[in-house]
Amino acid sequence: GAGVSQTPSNKVTEKGKYVELRCDPISGHTALYWYRQSLGQGPEFLIYFQGTGAADDSGLPNDRFFAVRPEGSVSTLKIQRTERGDSAVYLCASSLRAGTSEAFFGQGTRLTVV
Amino acid sequence: AQKVTQAQTEISVVEKEDVTLDCVYETRDTTYYLFWYKQPPSGELVFLIRRNSFDEQNEISGRYSWNFQKSTSSFNFTITASQVVDSAVYFCALRNTGNQFYFGTGTSLTVIP
Repeated sequence: GAGVSQTPSNKVTEKGKYVELRCDPISGHTALYWYRQSLGQGPEFLIYFQGTGAADDSGLPNDRFFAVRPEGSVSTLKIQRTERGDSAVYLCASSLRAGTSEAFFGQGTRLTVV
Repeated sequence: AQKVTQAQTEISVVEKEDVTLDCVYETRDTTYYLFWYKQPPSGELVFLIRRNSFDEQNEISGRYSWNFQKSTSSFNFTITASQVVDSAVYFCALRNTGNQFYFGTGTSLTVIP
């Protein structure tokens, strides 16, 4: 597609369940970012991939959060044992390369943990 | 430490008025990039502009203009002759050499017809 695609657009899950959020970056973009945005706040950095490897995962809040990008394109953000505090919009962005390019964002996945 | 401050939480203007959105940043890096993004109700962040730390030249794009001043660590955004379609949340962001984006808390702009 032309832009960054995230699925699902909305996800409601019960506390304690496992969820996966998917991001399809713009074709050819080597850098991929995950952000989390709580209501009324700016996006908060979670993790950044350059190719297949996580170049910086310092933003992941705890070990319940994990992300992969096995083939350097699609990425999956995985959250184990979800908690109500995980409820937020999870944004994915990609850029042609790290360092100078602007990042293009998807529309996000709204996760609600009940 | 990197930090972006957008002191204006909400702004309302009447259509055709000019409006300036403020952004102040903190960083110890000498090389960094500043960005503005627009987030309409649909939720997607729309890229507006990127400026690197070595380029203080102001930029104008249609009704949009940006004023980058390193001396005051500010990167302000002005919309001239505002329109209802400009209503959105606007985020200022800083990207350092580590490639993380640091976003401000956003300014919600409402343009009243």
